[in-house]
Amino acid sequence: NAGVTQTPKFQVLKTGQSMTLQCAQDMNHNSMYWYRQDPGMGLRLIYYSASEGTTDKGEVPNGYNVSRLNKREFSLRLESAAPSQTSVYFCASSPGQLYGYTFGSGTRLTVV
Amino acid sequence: AQKVTQAQTEISVVEKEDVTLDCVYETRDTTYYLFWYKQPPSGELVFLIRRNSFDEQNEISGRYSWNFQKSTSSFNFTITASQVVDSAVYFCALSEPRIQGAQKLVFGQGTRLTINP
Repeated sequence: NAGVTQTPKFQVLKTGQSMTLQCAQDMNHNSMYWYRQDPGMGLRLIYYSASEGTTDKGEVPNGYNVSRLNKREFSLRLESAAPSQTSVYFCASSPGQLYGYTFGSGTRLTVV
Repeated sequence: AQKVTQAQTEISVVEKEDVTLDCVYETRDTTYYLFWYKQPPSGELVFLIRRNSFDEQNEISGRYSWNFQKSTSSFNFTITASQVVDSAVYFCALSEPRIQGAQKLVFGQGTRLTINP
């Protein structure tokens, strides 16, 4: 089915470990986004990519890096995980300014 | 700065009751978009509606309706004759088409709606 695919769905990391969250969309959307969801805080934008080859910081970029590998893929990397990064991470894509997002199913990350 | 406030953290009603979820937003732009998303217990985020700032007509889709009022910066969501399947967290979001090609959404804190049988 067409949509946004995130991997993995669940992950437990130890403090200081690194990992990459993968995201791919097959809808030929130009823009892609990474959000984190924390209780009582809604969803907050980490990084986004308006188009292939560009990335920009969102509201909470510290501790993260991203790569827009091609039009389909947008990965999020935690170089040295911290307990404060325990969260649910959502990737989303959009065809442009006038449309909403299509979200992936999320990655539940726990840092111990 | 843009801001979305969903003051109702949790709402619990009995099935078949009507329920309204409030959303108040802040923006200095004249062109913007408002959204509602549903997050059922399974965790995915489902798009419900998009409304642009120039269209203040109310929208109805089955048991769902939305009331957009620019004068009070509100975009409220009403479920009529609620059902257990409506139980979810609902997010209101605001977008401003400032960045070419990108559409950053600012989300409210979410309202957890529980429909009891």
